Amino acid sequence: DAKTTQPTSMDCAEGRAANLPCNHSTISGNEYVYWYRQIHSQGPQYIIHGLKNNETNEMASLIITEDRKSSTLILPHATLRDTAVYYCIVRVRNSGYALNFGKGTSLLVTP
Amino acid sequence: TAGITQAPTSQILAAGRSMTLRCTQDMRHNAMYWYRQDLGLGLRLIHYSNTAGTTGKGEVPDGYSVSRANTDDFPLTLASAVPSQTSVYFCASSERPGTPNYGYTFGSGTRLTVV
Repeated sequence: DAKTTQPTSMDCAEGRAANLPCNHSTISGNEYVYWYRQIHSQGPQYIIHGLKNNETNEMASLIITEDRKSSTLILPHATLRDTAVYYCIVRVRNSGYALNFGKGTSLLVTP
Repeated sequence: TAGITQAPTSQILAAGRSMTLRCTQDMRHNAMYWYRQDLGLGLRLIHYSNTAGTTGKGEVPDGYSVSRANTDDFPLTLASAVPSQTSVYFCASSERPGTPNYGYTFGSGTRLTVV
């Protein structure tokens, strides 16, 4: 199963774009990349997912490189409430397609 | 509000005692999952169930058992708790896990302390 690599932590000024990178160089051709976030040890919250095309929703944008070995989650105008741990995830096919969480990136949005 | 209900919210348990963490969903999702999250770490899969009547082992299944008698309920049992099982436990569900476009819903977690 594919693994992901993310920076441990990042800072972002309030109102600026937060760009969170993720490496998934071993991802297979039909595996999706999912992004979730976790605020204050609450249950993880879905943000966005994609396969090969860039995706956008009301929360964020997902940019996936053409070779699919990496992606970037973009929060266009970060707010203090976006302070959270962000997880870039590929699923575990042989465990019921469970989400395979790594340690994620701790994003701190500062005033 | 539709979603996942976990109970209890928190619990202090004496080592050697047994306990069942409850998880109920009202979305008729096929798949359910149990994760544990230790301080400063990501979530690790304990057990999963693709559909009622079936279960499977995840990354860290030792010391835990599950059952899936029906679609809605997926209880997690600690037969004889040990301090290393102190953690926050999250239950999750997914409608059709093999299909990429279906998301995963998480409960609010159970904070368990084994002393």
